[in-house]
Amino acid sequence: DQQVKQNSPSLSVQEGRISILNCDYTNSMFDYFLWYKKYPAEGPTFLISISSIKDKNEDGRFTVFLNKSAKHLSLHIVPSQPGDSAVYFCAASEENQKVTFGTGTKLQVIP
Amino acid sequence: DAMVIQNPRYQVTQFGKPVTLSCSQTLNHNVMYWYQQKSSQAPKLLFHYYDKDFNNEADTPDNFQSRRPNTSFCFLDIRSPGLGDAAMYLCATSRDLRPGHEQYFGPGTRLTVT
Repeated sequence: DQQVKQNSPSLSVQEGRISILNCDYTNSMFDYFLWYKKYPAEGPTFLISISSIKDKNEDGRFTVFLNKSAKHLSLHIVPSQPGDSAVYFCAASEENQKVTFGTGTKLQVIP
Repeated sequence: DAMVIQNPRYQVTQFGKPVTLSCSQTLNHNVMYWYQQKSSQAPKLLFHYYDKDFNNEADTPDNFQSRRPNTSFCFLDIRSPGLGDAAMYLCATSRDLRPGHEQYFGPGTRLTVT
């Protein structure tokens, strides 16, 4: 049973436009959410996170939005750059519990 | 640079032949994790160590074992690999288990079982 779902396996966006990556979860006990980025032949690297007490967290070009009532979060990248092309994993955790990952969305930013 | 290192990057083993994957870290983190990731699937946690305390996931097969002889090193032993164990194996570390402590991943070891 996949508790963290990324329903779009891939996404293509023009350089300079906004990229929106979506993630849905089913476990209402999740209280911390993270996004990781993965380039080919490398391990995932942490990108940005958000606690369940917030609905938005921003770091430069990256913003994560959390809608707890809908059990939905999204990552916005603006403006998108070719170097953002990677696989993005959504992840969620409960207090002192393991992190559960989604299946990833492959983002391609077209120059 | 502080990092998480996995050796080898690619490992080929025969069906039923024991294999060991290794992970080392220079971050001095308390927690080390092993994940299994199959194609187009989410990374699946196999187990983790908090310092010397071993925590096995309930659905991790007995075929998978782990050792952490010191803070820096952690090993994944697959006692009798089957064809279904072919996957990318990711090692990760974190300073603590509490939310807010992100995980640092190694590049992974891709295991092929022939």
